[in-house]
Amino acid sequence: DGGITQSPKYLFRKEGQNVTLSCEQNLNHDAMYWYRQDPGQGLRLIYYSQIVNDFQKGDIAEGYSVSREKKESFPLTVTSAQKNPTAFYLCASSIGLAGNTDTQYFGPGTRLTVL
Amino acid sequence: DAKTTQPPSMDCAEGRAANLPCNHSTISGNEYVYWYRQIHSQGPQYIIHGLKNNETNEMASLIITEDRKSSTLILPHATLRDTAVYYCIPRGWDTDKLIFGTGTRLQVFP
Repeated sequence: DGGITQSPKYLFRKEGQNVTLSCEQNLNHDAMYWYRQDPGQGLRLIYYSQIVNDFQKGDIAEGYSVSREKKESFPLTVTSAQKNPTAFYLCASSIGLAGNTDTQYFGPGTRLTVL
Repeated sequence: DAKTTQPPSMDCAEGRAANLPCNHSTISGNEYVYWYRQIHSQGPQYIIHGLKNNETNEMASLIITEDRKSSTLILPHATLRDTAVYYCIPRGWDTDKLIFGTGTRLQVFP
């Protein structure tokens, strides 16, 4: 099946620990995105990557880091510098072309709880 | 980026059409209107998008007013599985991000 996978679905960490969230896609998409969602709120963009080995900060990048070494993978690290890391994290991908066909498709999300 | 106004919640009887409105009066000429929905604790699901013409796919129809200041998403025969939060998102062709507001919570009842 083609799609976007995120693992794990639920993740618990102690305060002060870094944690890496996985995102993999087999859609042959060039662009990948990370969003954060807090309860009752919409999604906010953390980082995005239009091509391998390149990425840009979104609206709330502080306390997060990413890498894009492979087209299929875009892991997100939530560092100890992120002041309020407990949230629902969503990964998305798109073909990567500007224009009306560049629809973003989302994974199932990872719910991170920092204790 | 255009701002949107959606009713916070709506109800719909199963089998009836659900009409979800969105006001985007500040939309610019290069912004498409995208619709996504999010079922509780899942990732958002793409539904449909359009620029100025009405669009239809297997999931829904999108009606955009001639002045493009508002649109309506139509689910022709709502089912219980359509219960979700629906987001209307104007998006320019040259922007990388989707700006999600708080959407409309649609409750389909038997």
